[in-house]
Amino acid sequence: DTEVTQTPKHLVMGMTNKKSLKCEQHMGHRAMYWYKQKAKKPPELMFVYSYEKLSINESVPSRFSPECPNSSLLNLHLHALQPEDSALYLCASSQDRGFWEDQPQHFGDGTRLSIL
Amino acid sequence: DQQVKQNSPSLSVQEGRISILNCDYTNSMFDYFLWYKKYPAEGPTFLISISSIKDKNEDGRFTVFLNKSAKHLSLHIVPSQPGDSAVYFCAATLGQGGSEKLVFGKGTKLTVNP
Repeated sequence: DTEVTQTPKHLVMGMTNKKSLKCEQHMGHRAMYWYKQKAKKPPELMFVYSYEKLSINESVPSRFSPECPNSSLLNLHLHALQPEDSALYLCASSQDRGFWEDQPQHFGDGTRLSIL
Repeated sequence: DQQVKQNSPSLSVQEGRISILNCDYTNSMFDYFLWYKKYPAEGPTFLISISSIKDKNEDGRFTVFLNKSAKHLSLHIVPSQPGDSAVYFCAATLGQGGSEKLVFGKGTKLTVNP
């Protein structure tokens, strides 16, 4: 039972499509994160939002566009993706920026994205 | 350049025995270390953490040991149960006011045999 909900669970899209991934949490967390995980690799940070403002962009290509409409919701807009962008996209949230002991990042189950 | 390394991709143990998962790191600025467990088709679940000022943290069957001089930490699971079978990720971060970035190792797949 995850407290971070990601939709859809699976997404197949062509390289010219525009789609969005959605992440929602109702734990009152003020920091939200997007990670990308390729097969047999660890999760890699893409973006961090803190208090609904983008605070970290790990040099992610502009075809990935994050959006934080409110403190509970985080979107990742996708456009003109490449086949190598196929991966598991994980959303996480935490009480606040940084790591405080006993306040770790909580992850959703991810969206498995396939680019044709 | 991998800052967090889990050199064993897999580990197999018998139910009831101890599981020891190892992790090495290179960045001496890391302040906190965490272990996450991941089942297939689910996101990582936080398991236990340790601050760099401690050398041991225990939570039920799970104990994490930190050896700062060796830049090494380990997760002990005693006794191991079949439900513990999962991929275990070691992760590290800078502390309060520092980076929000969790740096993960590649993971170790633990199989606990009944």
